[in-house]
Amino acid sequence: RKEVEQDPGPFNVPEGATVAFNCTYSNSASQSFFWYRQDCRKEPKLLMSVYSSGNEDGRFTAQLNRASQYISLLIRDSKLSDSATYLCVVNMNTGGFKTIFGAGTRLFVKA
Amino acid sequence: GAVVSQHPSWVICKSGTSVKIECRSLDFQATTMFWYRQFPKQSLMLMATSNEGSKATYEQGVEKDKFLINHASLTLSTLTVTSAHPEDSSFYICSARIGTKNLAKNIQYFGAGTRLSVL
Repeated sequence: RKEVEQDPGPFNVPEGATVAFNCTYSNSASQSFFWYRQDCRKEPKLLMSVYSSGNEDGRFTAQLNRASQYISLLIRDSKLSDSATYLCVVNMNTGGFKTIFGAGTRLFVKA
Repeated sequence: GAVVSQHPSWVICKSGTSVKIECRSLDFQATTMFWYRQFPKQSLMLMATSNEGSKATYEQGVEKDKFLINHASLTLSTLTVTSAHPEDSSFYICSARIGTKNLAKNIQYFGAGTRLSVL
């Protein structure tokens, strides 16, 4: 089992739709969580950190459920410019600190 | 967010030559930098962790003599692909970690990547 798993995608949605991405992690020693966005042939860019209480930034809402070892990202009112790959990222300390990237979920928003 | 500069952005070279890629943290000091490789439509693959003033830690399966990493200062790490071959053609991305006392909250910021094509 991979340490960080994401919905395989791709997600194809119309403009204005609400879309949710899921991510699960296997190691309970995981300590902090992030969502990154990666455009085609570009570097990943930090979208938002994920806190236990959940956090919102405009149209984006991230939530963490430690009991279920589950992270989510909700995008409301999708824009064409939201088309990208979304990476779930987990920092964990298992006898050594490491950062694990999920394989990413591809989103296509269409007019 | 923090700025990480990576240079060059695109390299085409002949088989057998060596290619050097630089990664700089422009507005912060990075004791730790990371080097990743990404093939088309695949996820990031961590190659090595570069620590300032010490030897890099390579991931399993990554040849340290093939991919030379030097982290000579708190703002600069370099990756040299020695004797490059066509199978080394890939997208190489560096990142730098902004440190806090709580390592678990450290965030990685990425360079723009280097697209290497070996002919």
